[in-house]
Amino acid sequence: AQSVTQLDSHVSVSEGTPVLLRCNYSSSYSPSLFWYVQHPNKGLQLLLKYTSAATLVKGINGFEAEFKKSETSFHLTKPSAHMSDAAEYFCVVSDLPDNYGQNFVFGPGTRLSVLP
Amino acid sequence: DGGITQSPKYLFRKEGQNVTLSCEQNLNHDAMYWYRQDPGQGLRLIYYSQIVNDFQKGDIAEGYSVSREKKESFPLTVTSAQKNPTAFYLCASSTGQTYGYTFGSGTRLTVV
Repeated sequence: AQSVTQLDSHVSVSEGTPVLLRCNYSSSYSPSLFWYVQHPNKGLQLLLKYTSAATLVKGINGFEAEFKKSETSFHLTKPSAHMSDAAEYFCVVSDLPDNYGQNFVFGPGTRLSVLP
Repeated sequence: DGGITQSPKYLFRKEGQNVTLSCEQNLNHDAMYWYRQDPGQGLRLIYYSQIVNDFQKGDIAEGYSVSREKKESFPLTVTSAQKNPTAFYLCASSTGQTYGYTFGSGTRLTVV
């Protein structure tokens, strides 16, 4: 069965410094992997996705993630944090072959705080 | 603009009442989903539907019901059988596994 681990429940960085949010997954097949961001009392917004194309994936707002099969990791990075990046981030995996994504598994989330 | 609309944004329920949360999409997506979000527990799947007039239970379907009479609409009813309904409810739609989900802005339900 597929699963997702987000290694940090809370990450705190200073504005202008790099961001690293860690995600490890377990999958029996070739997975699709996603990162979503959620601001307080809002829905989730797709940041980026990996679906077996390039292993380095670029997303919105300067975020990117690298798929490393040997390490079963899909860590999210950003070179320079902005105050508006403060939010909850979810790593998601889907590996069972289906057409509509009902087998998506969400990680527990990482709360990112950005200090002035 | 295409998207998913959830209403109301905030909802209060008295003990023993049924309440219905609305979810409408104009993205022409076949699949729709309901998730429940509790602090520190991530998202849990309640129900999903891949096609009109068909839906499947998710991981925590007890105390909830849904219908899918139109492609655009997937309302969720929280029944009195749901003993702990206070949570943030998210509706989503999808056009395929590799495309991910599009989410609505959520409904916060509180029991008073």
